[in-house]
Parts: sequence; C-alpha cells; structure tokens
Amino acid sequence: DVKVTQSSRYLVKRTGEKVFLECVQDMDHENMFWYRQDPGLGLRLIYFSYDVKMKEKGDIPEGYSVSREKKERFSLILESASTNQTSMYLCASRAGGGTGGYEQYFGPGTRLTVT
Amino acid sequence: AQSVTQLDSHVSVSEGTPVLLRCNYSSSYSPSLFWYVQHPNKGLQLLLKYTSAATLVKGINGFEAEFKKSETSFHLTKPSAHMSDAAEYFCVVIPYSSASKIIFGSGTRLSIRP
Repeated sequence: DVKVTQSSRYLVKRTGEKVFLECVQDMDHENMFWYRQDPGLGLRLIYFSYDVKMKEKGDIPEGYSVSREKKERFSLILESASTNQTSMYLCASRAGGGTGGYEQYFGPGTRLTVT
Repeated sequence: AQSVTQLDSHVSVSEGTPVLLRCNYSSSYSPSLFWYVQHPNKGLQLLLKYTSAATLVKGINGFEAEFKKSETSFHLTKPSAHMSDAAEYFCVVIPYSSASKIIFGSGTRLSIRP
C-alpha cells in the first residue's frame, strides 16, 4: 500500500522560529511536492522536487525553502515563521520521470499554527 | 490554458439517495482527470482516475465518474449516499505535458442528511 507520512499532525510555533516539516514516502517516487491549503484559496503549490537535490519553485515559494537529500524524504523549511504561514501543509509524491498523467499520493497533512 | 470548475460549492443529500458532484474541465490536450476526497483534518485520498482508457471509471467506496469529451465534463456519482461520504471532494486535472502542474478544483462539500 502506498504511504506518505508527515512528521507532525499538529504543530504550534512562535513568530520568528525556524520550522521544519518532514515528509517521507515509501514508493520510490521521483517527484515530491509541498502544498498549503487555506479556506477559500484551495491548494497552492509551494515547491516540488523531481529528483534528489533538485527543486523548483511552485506558485507561492516566498518565505519557504526545501531540502531533498534522499529520494524518500522531502523537507519544507520556514526560515522565520510568520502568522500568515498558519495553514494546513500537505505533502505529496508521484511516480513518473518527466511528463504528467500520474496521480499524486498525499500525506495526512500538518496543521501549523504560528502565534 | 487548463482549468477545472466544480459547479457546486456545497451539495446536501439524504442518506440512501444518489450523489452527483459536477466537474467541468478545460484542456488543450488529453488530460488525466482525478477525483480526490478529503475528510476533516485529513489528507487527500484518491477516489478514482481517468487516463484515456474506459470513459466510465469506477473508484473506491462505490463512486464512479464518466468522462464526456463532448461536454468536457467528469462528474462524480454514487447511487446511494452513506453518512461516511460526508467530506470535501476535489476534481483535479493533470495536463499531460506538465511534470508538476496539478490543477485543483475549488472543492465541493458534500453533506449527508440522516
């Protein structure tokens, strides 16, 4: 069975803290993604990675960075958390070497609150 | 440009009655189409997918969807709603030409009345 896991379900951090969100997949997928989901705005792509050490910006990369040192693990980093980064963060992975047509598998999500 | 439109933000049905969640897409090429479900405070789960094989696609939990190219639609149906079907449903397009782009609909919240 396909599995994407995220390090925390709920997280509370203070403004200015550095925050790490981790995602692990066990399907040997090349592609991994980070989204944030907000009411009324739907899912928005922050970053994605198509290979180890490779990354590309999504639609809203500002204030975020990512790291992919191993194929199965994709980390999202908030360098200095701000209250407008309070959101649900979803990680996903997908097979495929380049073109689309393959479904994405999602983790359970991390609900981050920045106070 | 590719896009996807979910025609209803909220649908409410009685338990045991049919469910219809509507989705229209716009795509220059043959798209891959998906329906995902999200229960409260959970991640997205794949319900079913269309990838240019049979136009009627069966998914999990009794859901199915029909791809109609002439109408550019991919509506989700279920013959008999169950209380556990209450959730948010997303219609998704993945353009064949894109490695990363996944286009989400705005979502339809399905409520089930006892």
